[in-house]
Amino acid sequence: GAVVSQHPSWVICKSGTSVKIECRSLDFQATTMFWYRQFPKQSLMLMATSNEGSKATYEQGVEKDKFLINHASLTLSTLTVTSAHPEDSSFYICSARGLRGYQPQHFGDGTRLSIL
Amino acid sequence: QQQVKQSPQSLIVQKGGISIINCAYENTAFDYFPWYQQFPGKGPALLIAIRPDVSEKKEGRFTISFNKSAKQFSLHIMDSQPGDSATYFCALYALNFGKGTSLLVTP
Repeated sequence: GAVVSQHPSWVICKSGTSVKIECRSLDFQATTMFWYRQFPKQSLMLMATSNEGSKATYEQGVEKDKFLINHASLTLSTLTVTSAHPEDSSFYICSARGLRGYQPQHFGDGTRLSIL
Repeated sequence: QQQVKQSPQSLIVQKGGISIINCAYENTAFDYFPWYQQFPGKGPALLIAIRPDVSEKKEGRFTISFNKSAKQFSLHIMDSQPGDSATYFCALYALNFGKGTSLLVTP
């Protein structure tokens, strides 16, 4: 079946570092990708919607300059957490949707980000 | 932002029993109602989804029921197994997620 690959699965870095997370659709073309944040034992919170070739649409309260999203191709979207601080530590998950009709969402396995 | 209200927050079911999770929504603009299953440390996986033109959809042990007039949809897991122990989320499309239900199926 369709697979979404997210990399890295786990990253630890120092405060002030920028971290890039990749989300790839492996066997289908994704016109739309979504980025979520999930805190322990909580639900997924949509951060932004990314459409190939256009600027991402951010949800209210999400800092555009902090969370840079690039959707350069139909198979790749990246989330860069700029100048990360401990409060940015979280589980980040991407999902991708195919081209046609009511295609289901396919989720990556998430990236555990820990900022020291 | 559209809201979905999911219940119960947690559920304990004996092996072989029926697990029932409910979701209520406010906005009727969406026409795709999925349920996701998430294991610890993993991303959610689509379990089953329904369009509002049908009232029920069954896939194996999983059944989703949809009540358009009541703005509710539910997930039924028949013959629940310990391997079904996970967190389940309902969603409006993939934009607004319920708070999740932690299901524990005891042997």
